[in-house]
Amino acid sequence: SQQGEEDPQALSIQEGENATMNCSYKTSINNLQWYRQNSGRGLVHLILIRSNEREKHSGRLRVTLDTSKKSSSLLITASRAADTASYFCAMALENQGGKLIFGQGTELSVKP
Amino acid sequence: KAGVTQTPRYLIKTRGQQVTLSCSPISGHRSVSWYQQTPGQGLQFLFEYFSETQRNKGNFPGRFSGRQFSNSRSEMNVSTLELGDSALYLCASSSLRTGGLSNEQFFGPGTRLTVL
Repeated sequence: SQQGEEDPQALSIQEGENATMNCSYKTSINNLQWYRQNSGRGLVHLILIRSNEREKHSGRLRVTLDTSKKSSSLLITASRAADTASYFCAMALENQGGKLIFGQGTELSVKP
Repeated sequence: KAGVTQTPRYLIKTRGQQVTLSCSPISGHRSVSWYQQTPGQGLQFLFEYFSETQRNKGNFPGRFSGRQFSNSRSEMNVSTLELGDSALYLCASSSLRTGGLSNEQFFGPGTRLTVL
């Protein structure tokens, strides 16, 4: 399967703690993106990291990419109850246009 | 700018029927992709259209088809519905340029299809 793998599948933390989600993939990528989904609704784009980048920040989000290990991680710092959602990594493959290959997702629960 | 819109939001059909779902991308976006989301298989790519041409196709049977109009609006059609077609169908648009890098995609709220 071309799908990415994410771990953990589920993560439960307290407000204020940090949450780390990991993603691994199998093929060469053009870029890797992270999305958030609330309760079976549409996905919201969080951050995009290109294959020649190693780290990227956006507010409380930090994404790393290690192309030699074909892996990425998403760190959410100082989590809030509103961060409760499913998080997906999505790989944009080389020469595949707009096609994204999604991981299975991590379900994050942040308890107040 | 208005976001990606999808109609209808909910749909109930019976086995053997066909269904057409519609997607209006963000103004100026020429790439439209469709995804199927189920609890068992997760998010799976169906197809992508760019300037009325299908650029990519996922591993779905021929019962799944789509098209894109000159105004970039897109439709997908599923014929001879099966119970397993019950899913959330998501449409996404992007400002992807021809041959360019895959930019972030903007997703619509989805159409929840239930096949009875």
